[in-house]
Amino acid sequence: EPEVTQTPSHQVTQMGQEVILRCVPISNHLYFYWYRQILGQKVEFLVSFYNNEISEKSEIFDDQFSVERPDGSNFTLKIRSTKLEDSAMYFCASRGRGTDSYEQYFGPGTRLTVT
Amino acid sequence: RKEVEQDPGPFNVPEGATVAFNCTYSNSASQSFFWYRQDCRKEPKLLMSVYSSGNEDGRFTAQLNRASQYISLLIRDSKLSDSATYLCVVQSGGSYIPTFGRGTSLIVHP
Repeated sequence: EPEVTQTPSHQVTQMGQEVILRCVPISNHLYFYWYRQILGQKVEFLVSFYNNEISEKSEIFDDQFSVERPDGSNFTLKIRSTKLEDSAMYFCASRGRGTDSYEQYFGPGTRLTVT
Repeated sequence: RKEVEQDPGPFNVPEGATVAFNCTYSNSASQSFFWYRQDCRKEPKLLMSVYSSGNEDGRFTAQLNRASQYISLLIRDSKLSDSATYLCVVQSGGSYIPTFGRGTSLIVHP
């Protein structure tokens, strides 16, 4: 069964450093997403991406965040200058196209720890 | 008012029991509804979509009540492996951005 993969599984970084989280969505999917989940809290939407551009983003997704699909398979989330409060699980998700494909499939997540 | 509300639980039930969770949503324009399952420190996994007519998948039954703006999940004959957090997810018609509830914790014990 095809699956979304993410690397690394755990990233530790110092405050102020840049991090790049990587995702490989399911190959025939067209819509890509990033979410975060702070420990003990709900999953929060960050950004959606379609046709090589951001389609929607939340208030959380400020100028410190950016996304890219550099090579047609990887989908990355960059945090330019990490803050302590960026510590969370970051999940990538993808979905197909069409009215039968609203379901999103999540990757295993990257645990980001900012010290 | 929170957009998607769930009773956090935990619901503590013996194996074989039937358990039901509800989830209420505030946006009357919501059109797509899902139940996801999340194990501790793992990713959410799609359990089932919730259709207007309701749907059943084995021991799991999901229902939608648009008038009262809630969805439900019924689990029959609970297994130990059903222990997890169940997330209610709602999408409005104009956006594919899902809104997650905080989840309901289920613990099935022997």
